[in-house]
Amino acid sequence: AAGVIQSPRHLIKEKRETATLKCYPIPRHDTVYWYQQGPGQDPQFLISFYEKMQSDKGSIPDRFSAQQFSDYHSELNMSSLELGDSALYFCASSFNSGGNTGELFFGEGSRLTVL
Amino acid sequence: AQSVTQLGSHVSVSEGALVLLRCNYSSSVPPYLFWYVQYPNQGLQLLLKYTTGATLVKGINGFEAEFKKSETSFHLTKPSAHMSDAAEYFCAVSPGYQKVTFGTGTKLQVIP
Repeated sequence: AAGVIQSPRHLIKEKRETATLKCYPIPRHDTVYWYQQGPGQDPQFLISFYEKMQSDKGSIPDRFSAQQFSDYHSELNMSSLELGDSALYFCASSFNSGGNTGELFFGEGSRLTVL
Repeated sequence: AQSVTQLGSHVSVSEGALVLLRCNYSSSVPPYLFWYVQYPNQGLQLLLKYTTGATLVKGINGFEAEFKKSETSFHLTKPSAHMSDAAEYFCAVSPGYQKVTFGTGTKLQVIP
């Protein structure tokens, strides 16, 4: 079965550069979640989208932005990168039916290293 | 609001011994509870989940967990540890199938 696809799997950037992570949800899933997991940390919720609209917001820095496109894939844009942005970024997707959100399925993550 | 407390950031067990990883939750609504496992440099794999119904849930790799509402607990157990169980385990809670809130994780070490 198709899973959540994240790209790139690994990314190395310099401080103050910009990075974009992509998430392709499971087909027919309409909700996407982004999480950030720093080294030795638990995953922290950043932001979510349902039907291309932001549905919830967590601890996402102002330097970050995200959106969900018409094909339901999502992109997380990170600007003015800092060393502390080095982390594993997870995307999860779910299918929301009749107001009830289905189970979340996580991707393998994108590892961002900021030098 | 939901939160999860995992007791013990590191747990060591001998191979073949019982594994017990503790998780207590706080939730203002009936919770959905999850255990995820993460191997080094890998993603999150769902071990098991409790949504409604039977309070003892069985997951993959011989793990199980019991939802105890009176104790607000969802401890993870496995009768006999295997070397391949060495990983980090995250307990998580959500108000239904919505965004998941993770605990701080417990690293399980299995000693030969």
